[in-house]
Parts: sequence; structure tokens; C-alpha cells
Amino acid sequence: GAGVSQSPRYKVAKRGQDVALRCDPISGHVSLFWYQQALGQGPEFLTYFQNEAQLDKSGLPSDRFFAERPEGSVSTLKIQRTQQEDSAVYLCASSNDARVPSGYTFGSGTRLTVV
Amino acid sequence: DQQVKQNSPSLSVQEGRISILNCDYTNSMFDYFLWYKKYPAEGPTFLISISSIKDKNEDGRFTVFLNKSAKHLSLHIVPSQPGDSAVYFCAAWNSGGYQKVTFGTGTKLQVIP
Repeated sequence: GAGVSQSPRYKVAKRGQDVALRCDPISGHVSLFWYQQALGQGPEFLTYFQNEAQLDKSGLPSDRFFAERPEGSVSTLKIQRTQQEDSAVYLCASSNDARVPSGYTFGSGTRLTVV
Repeated sequence: DQQVKQNSPSLSVQEGRISILNCDYTNSMFDYFLWYKKYPAEGPTFLISISSIKDKNEDGRFTVFLNKSAKHLSLHIVPSQPGDSAVYFCAAWNSGGYQKVTFGTGTKLQVIP
């Protein structure tokens, strides 16, 4: 596609529910990033994939967060047993070269609200 | 610990005047800096960047200045236009480490017609 596509755009989850957020990167982009943006804050790094390999997951806040990219294209961020502090916008970015951060393309994000 | 700081959450400027957005960082390992622009309900888009080997980079109406000794950078927009109204994020990157961009908290710029 022309850009990075994220779905759903909005998600409301009851506390304790599991959620899955999807990212469709630009075709051919080998690098994929997930960021979490809480209200009034800047995006914070969660995890990084190069193709299907998860090279950095140091930003995942707890073991309730899990990300995968099994075929090196679409990625899913899963949050188990959601809590109120998980409420944020989750941004996905892709790039054809992770060594050129000016080339990262961000999606519009998924706004997660945990009630 | 906030490694990239934008101390002004908001800024209002008259159309045609200069907008100056400031950013400070603490990690001396950062060697590449970026500014992103974000409109509501959209993802951040890259605006301009600067390497630590330079102290200035210009692209049309946008200029970024870097003061390494002070660990400070600024974005100048001249002249400011109403379409520039958005949230601006300063970001930093260590080219020798993992490919993780670290963002500031953002400054909301309003350009008044």
C-alpha cells in the first residue's frame, strides 16, 4: 500500500480483556517499529523487527505485551489482561533501512482505551 | 528518565513571524537529531534532521540548529504559516546503537492568521 496501515483505529477494551493491534507496513519495508504514545507524551519505543526477527523488545513494559511478525510483513501487537495504564495510542512505523531514521513512515495509530 | 526534553508544551505565533521550538537532550551518545510534525489523528511525519557533525541544517522555511556543548537544538520556522499549526516532536538517535529513535514530549504550535 501507499502508507503504513493500522487497525483498528480505535479500540475500547474492558480491563482484563486481551487485545490485538495490527500493522500493515509499506510493501518491501524490512524494518518495523512499535511505539506507545500516552496522552500528553511523546512516542516511546516498544519493539523493533527486521524482517521476522525481533531484534529489540527492550521497551515492552511488561510480559503482558507481545509482538510478532511471523512472515516479515504484517505485525501484531498483543496486550493480555489489559489495564488502565495501557490506554494510549499505539504507533507502528516501517522503513526500508533502519539506519536512516528520517525514512521511517508512521501509521496513524490505534487509540486504545481501557475502561 | 526523559533523555529528550521539550520544556514548552505550547507556543503561539503570528502568521509571518518566526517560530522557535527548543529541545534539550541528556544522552551524549546521541549523534543524529530529527524533528517530526504531527497533525491530529495522524502519525508523525519527518520534517528535518541534523547530524552531530553539523551545527545547522536548512530546508526551505525550516532550519535546525544544534549546540552540542549545550546539548540543545532548536527548530526555526520562517515565515510561519497557519498550516504549520501542529505538534512538533524533537527526536534523537544513536547511530552506533540499536535503531531506536527517542522522542521528546512535543510542542504544540499554533500559528495565528
